[in-house]
Amino acid sequence: GEDVEQSLFLSVREGDSSVINCTYTDSSSTYLYWYKQEPGAGLQLLTYIFSNMDMKQDQRLTVLLNKKDKHLSLRIADTQTGDSAIYFCAETGSQGNLIFGKGTKLSVKP
Amino acid sequence: DAGVIQSPRHEVTEMGQEVTLRCKPISGHNSLFWYRQTMMRGLELLIYFNNNVPIDDSGMPEDRFSAKMPNASFSTLKIQPSEPRDSAVYFCASSSGTGYSNQPQHFGDGTRLSIL
Repeated sequence: GEDVEQSLFLSVREGDSSVINCTYTDSSSTYLYWYKQEPGAGLQLLTYIFSNMDMKQDQRLTVLLNKKDKHLSLRIADTQTGDSAIYFCAETGSQGNLIFGKGTKLSVKP
Repeated sequence: DAGVIQSPRHEVTEMGQEVTLRCKPISGHNSLFWYRQTMMRGLELLIYFNNNVPIDDSGMPEDRFSAKMPNASFSTLKIQPSEPRDSAVYFCASSSGTGYSNQPQHFGDGTRLSIL
């Protein structure tokens, strides 16, 4: 079945880089997404990558895709306290919906 | 621009009562999704509409849950009768894509539902 796995917690110091990892199962997923959820709010799309790409960079965010291993990562450079949130990895499901991981809670210490 | 609007933001009610959650998608979006988020199960898709037609309702937990989309600008998720285990945050999302599309889903701020 379709499944997305992420580690649940990550703690970093302000100014360091954060790397959030994700594995997925559906090799036919066309797009893979990273969403951010701040407390009390909905999910906000951060970035997405097309499955025929290896890397996508958007300011402080870098997405790496290893399609052979079905592994996706999100790197946040120069992590700030405002980056503290839950980060969700998602793949496109067979019905056009999104399959989400359980989210990684990023804590940024000053 | 207005995003996805959900109401109410919070709902507290006693078990057995009917609960109706409302969603207004972004104007022009033709796909609408209802999700439920809990600590134990994470984010689960309940139902997905495209052009007001339910495409996949396999995530709807049981017959107590029903969803409608009478027009392109409004959807409801109803729970009758409600039970304590239905307590969760319910999100509505909309997108302009269908099928394998890169059009992102835009989420509302959710309805936090507590069933006592």
